[in-house]
Amino acid sequence: GAVVSQHPSRVICKSGTSVKIECRSLDFQATTMFWYRQFPKKSLMLMATSNEGSKATYEQGVEKDKFLINHASLTLSTLTVTSAHPEDSSFYICSALRDFNEQFFGPGTRLTVL
Amino acid sequence: KQEVTQIPAALSVPEGENLVLNCSFTDSAIYNLQWFRQDPGKGLTSLLLIQSSQREQTSGRLNASLDKSSGRSTLYIAASQPGDSATYLCAGQNFVFGPGTRLSVLP
Repeated sequence: GAVVSQHPSRVICKSGTSVKIECRSLDFQATTMFWYRQFPKKSLMLMATSNEGSKATYEQGVEKDKFLINHASLTLSTLTVTSAHPEDSSFYICSALRDFNEQFFGPGTRLTVL
Repeated sequence: KQEVTQIPAALSVPEGENLVLNCSFTDSAIYNLQWFRQDPGKGLTSLLLIQSSQREQTSGRLNASLDKSSGRSTLYIAASQPGDSATYLCAGQNFVFGPGTRLSVLP
């Protein structure tokens, strides 16, 4: 159990376009999901906490208008990178919180902005 | 702000060795800790969770312990195998991650 999926796994887009990434908890309900960003050979940087039915909580330095998060159901959170630029290219990983504050991660989405 | 340190940053060992990875938090008020492994280009796989009422957890060849008074955790891997090669990360209840330990187990 405790499977989290992400879609797409890879996306290449042109500068200025918007990209949506989906994160789903497949076999459990998650009121809380997290979005992380990871640069090559670096650790994870928490971007925001996504709470079902309410606004996301963004970490300091993360632009909420740039990275739109929607957590419309107990199994789905989406991250939309708006007006993407090359510096937004990164590996984006989501996680879902289950019992006892245990996190389960998705496989990640590699975004490349040309 | 909570900061997490992991020592060593990288480790290379021959197959079969026992090894210890360390994780420490600047804010020692850690009551919930999770260890993960990450393979290159992949997401994170949960290894062990130490809950607030626990001091250690074991799963197969892995044992993790948490000293709440000092905010330090260790991950012990027994009889290491090449398949254990990965980056190992720890995170506390505020979901701040350490930089990871890159482990290579040589056959």
